Amino acid sequence: GAVVSQHPSRVICKSGTSVKIECRSLDFQATTMFWYRQFPKQSLMLMATSNEGSKATYEQGVEKDKFLINHASLTLSTLTVTSAHPEDSSFYICSAIGVPTSGGYEQYFGPGTRLTVT
Amino acid sequence: GIQVEQSPPDLILQEGANSTLRCNFSDSVNNLQWFHQNPWGQLINLFYIPSGTKQNGRLSATTVATERYSLLYISSSQTTDSGVYFCAVLRGGSEKLVFGKGTKLTVNP
Repeated sequence: GAVVSQHPSRVICKSGTSVKIECRSLDFQATTMFWYRQFPKQSLMLMATSNEGSKATYEQGVEKDKFLINHASLTLSTLTVTSAHPEDSSFYICSAIGVPTSGGYEQYFGPGTRLTVT
Repeated sequence: GIQVEQSPPDLILQEGANSTLRCNFSDSVNNLQWFHQNPWGQLINLFYIPSGTKQNGRLSATTVATERYSLLYISSSQTTDSGVYFCAVLRGGSEKLVFGKGTKLTVNP
């Protein structure tokens, strides 16, 4: 159980276009989803927290108008990179919190989406 | 904010060897997770272990919350164990995991 999927796994787009990435919890309801960005050989950097039915909370330094997040249901969150530029090229990973485990909340991660902007 | 330090940053082993990875954190935590990021980028949950000891096959983990550290043990390592191992912690009142910089493990045949 506790499977999170992402689509697409890899996308190449031209500079100035927008790209949408989907994150789904397949076998559980996720009240909260998270979006991370990872540069090569670095750790994960949290971009935003997404709660179903409410506006996403962005981390300091993350442009909310550039990275649009919509958490439409308890199983789906989307990240849209608007007017993408080469510096937006990165590995984007989502995660979700499901059923509480031993008094806490275990996060489960999607397989990631590699975005290349040419 | 809370600091998470992992050591060593890099580790190279021969297949069959054992290893211990360490995670130190600077404040009390409600949650600690160990992940393995495989070469394709997928983070695989290894342990949810805010305290105590857990074992799963060749892997085991121990968290000593009062001393603010956690250890991940890998026994009889295999080439498929290669990848980056991340420790991440959650403070009380927060849903946001704070990640360490990871330990890159390479297991040679």
